[in-house]
Amino acid sequence: ETGVTQTPRHLVMGMTNKKSLKCEQHLGHNAMYWYKQSAKKPLELMFVYNFKEQTENNSVPSRFSPECPNSSHLFLHLHTLQPEDSALYLCASSQGTGRFLNEKLFFGSGTQLSVL
Amino acid sequence: AQTVTQSQPEMSVQEAETVTLSCTYDTSENNYYLFWYKQPPSRQMILVIRQEAYKQQNATENRFSVNFQKAAKSFSLKISDSQLGDTAMYFCAFMSQGGSEKLVFGKGTKLTVNP
Repeated sequence: ETGVTQTPRHLVMGMTNKKSLKCEQHLGHNAMYWYKQSAKKPLELMFVYNFKEQTENNSVPSRFSPECPNSSHLFLHLHTLQPEDSALYLCASSQGTGRFLNEKLFFGSGTQLSVL
Repeated sequence: AQTVTQSQPEMSVQEAETVTLSCTYDTSENNYYLFWYKQPPSRQMILVIRQEAYKQQNATENRFSVNFQKAAKSFSLKISDSQLGDTAMYFCAFMSQGGSEKLVFGKGTKLTVNP
């Protein structure tokens, strides 16, 4: 247990559904991240939040909508997804961003998403 | 743009033996960080080892060590006395020291430790 909890662990949804992924960290970190892990592809950074403010949006389609109400919680709202969005979505946190990112990332166990 | 290449999609090793995972990267920068992350079947990514490019000494963490060749842009991971619990995906990653939040990952190497 690294202090980063993601729910649900698995999610199956249709293309017209709306669902949300949740991430919570108990480490007192200031930065939180969403990564997408697809089969046979490198991890892709999606979003970065630092002190609740979004500092990075890596050209992610608008059908993915992040929300960071406080430094401990991060959500990823999903709507009208496509089958190619099926992947493992990993949340991570770190003490800070920028020059403090050399502090290690702590990852959750991910949500395995299947879009039918 | 930086890229990270792991040329070995899969590897296997016998328990108690030594295995080396390869990683090369491409960058025009002089100062940066390199990482190896482990992802076991539980899916949780765990930092194994980290190397600062300005340090000539290779990083070590217990049974894990790296061979950092800056001129060759190579960053291999050596696992000594392999254990069954080392079975996992291993990802090499690069980060600029310039302050970007982006960790650039390789595609990973699936390591299986056989009893």
